[in-house]
Amino acid sequence: DAMVIQNPRYQVTQFGKPVTLSCSQTLNHNVMYWYQQKSSQAPKLLFHYYDKDFNNEADTPDNFQSRRPNTSFCFLDIRSPGLGDAAMYLCATSSGQGSGEKLFFGSGTQLSVL
Amino acid sequence: LAKTTQPISMDSYEGQEVNITCSHNNIATNDYITWYQQFPSQGPRFIIQGYKTKVTNEVASLFIPADRKSSTLSLPRVSLSDTAVYYCLSGTYKYIFGTGTRLKVLA
Repeated sequence: DAMVIQNPRYQVTQFGKPVTLSCSQTLNHNVMYWYQQKSSQAPKLLFHYYDKDFNNEADTPDNFQSRRPNTSFCFLDIRSPGLGDAAMYLCATSSGQGSGEKLFFGSGTQLSVL
Repeated sequence: LAKTTQPISMDSYEGQEVNITCSHNNIATNDYITWYQQFPSQGPRFIIQGYKTKVTNEVASLFIPADRKSSTLSLPRVSLSDTAVYYCLSGTYKYIFGTGTRLKVLA
């Protein structure tokens, strides 16, 4: 059973056209993460939520925003996608218990920018 | 934040044991070391986790020396399906990926 679900699996958008990626979880985890992964690179942390507390990485562009309306859902908004934003976007969760926790990843959304 | 360093790539043949090392010199006292496997176009998935000494599960073993500044993932008798990128992570609440090790298993 899928525990971290990302929709859609593939997303195509136009240069400059806002796009939203979604993530839901059935694990009731406190922490939700968004990572960006470009081809042949490691996942790069964009931001994470601990409950409602938003934690942005210092080098995450302002073009990337996130919302977490409730425990189960988290959204990634890209306000004006550029060609360089084409990537796999991975959502992950963790319990928030601290040491010894594990990350649970979704299958990712592959974003193409035309 | 804990930063990890791994070899960029490794090749192995089917049936061999593969050992992938990870350096985490700045690991915090309470942090565990966790290894993930990632196939193309998929999210990383958990393989094994440990704090110190040795941990073994059905797919791998993890060796962590007393100083905890490094760890070694051991994959026994690899098969072609073990071709993937392997990442080690440490941290609490916030997890930064290192480069990972791209393992290629050859027939």
